[in-house]
Amino acid sequence: DTGVSQDPRHKITKRGQNVTFRCDPISEHNRLYWYRQTLGQGPEFLTYFQNEAQLEKSRLLSDRFSAERPKGSFSTLEIQRTEQGDSAMYLCASSAPGQGPDTQYFGPGTRLTVL
Amino acid sequence: GQNIDQPTEMTATEGAIVQINCTYQTSGFNGLFWYQQHAGEAPTFLSYNVLDGLEEKGRFSSFLSRSKGYSYLLLKELQMKDSASYLCAVKGGYQKVTFGTGTKLQVIP
Repeated sequence: DTGVSQDPRHKITKRGQNVTFRCDPISEHNRLYWYRQTLGQGPEFLTYFQNEAQLEKSRLLSDRFSAERPKGSFSTLEIQRTEQGDSAMYLCASSAPGQGPDTQYFGPGTRLTVL
Repeated sequence: GQNIDQPTEMTATEGAIVQINCTYQTSGFNGLFWYQQHAGEAPTFLSYNVLDGLEEKGRFSSFLSRSKGYSYLLLKELQMKDSASYLCAVKGGYQKVTFGTGTKLQVIP
């Protein structure tokens, strides 16, 4: 399967701990996106990369959140000093310009629970 | 900014047709997507509209009116497996895509 993959699928952590999630996009896709989704809501945009460059970051993203894509392939999302309000599904998506409407294809997500 | 409205829930009967509406107000517009999301799973792409009119893809069709800020997703010959949330999403300036809260569709026998 050559779809978007995310690791881990589930993460339970205690408040105040740091967590890191990984996303591997579809191999030929140079654009990568992170979203957060809570129950009953649509995905909320967090940040976007084109190759290794982080081109846009949501104003909603606090300084506790950081994302990297060092070699323009996989990406990591780190949350420092987690809070209970960070509990959500974290979705990664990738896309490739020049392929029709630049559709974003989503990975299975990482479900974070902060106790 | 972006504002996207769609009904929270809908119920329809197996074999019937259902139309899910989406209205949007955006500061820029570069296309509208519909995604399907089953509970606990990631969204999957259904359709894309950037010009006015109807796009048909099998049992699913999507319509766009840019002047009215309006789109709908039409599902024909409903099947039980169509029970899911349907997300309307608008691509504004650059690459940012804003999602609505989704419409939870329940298909009943």
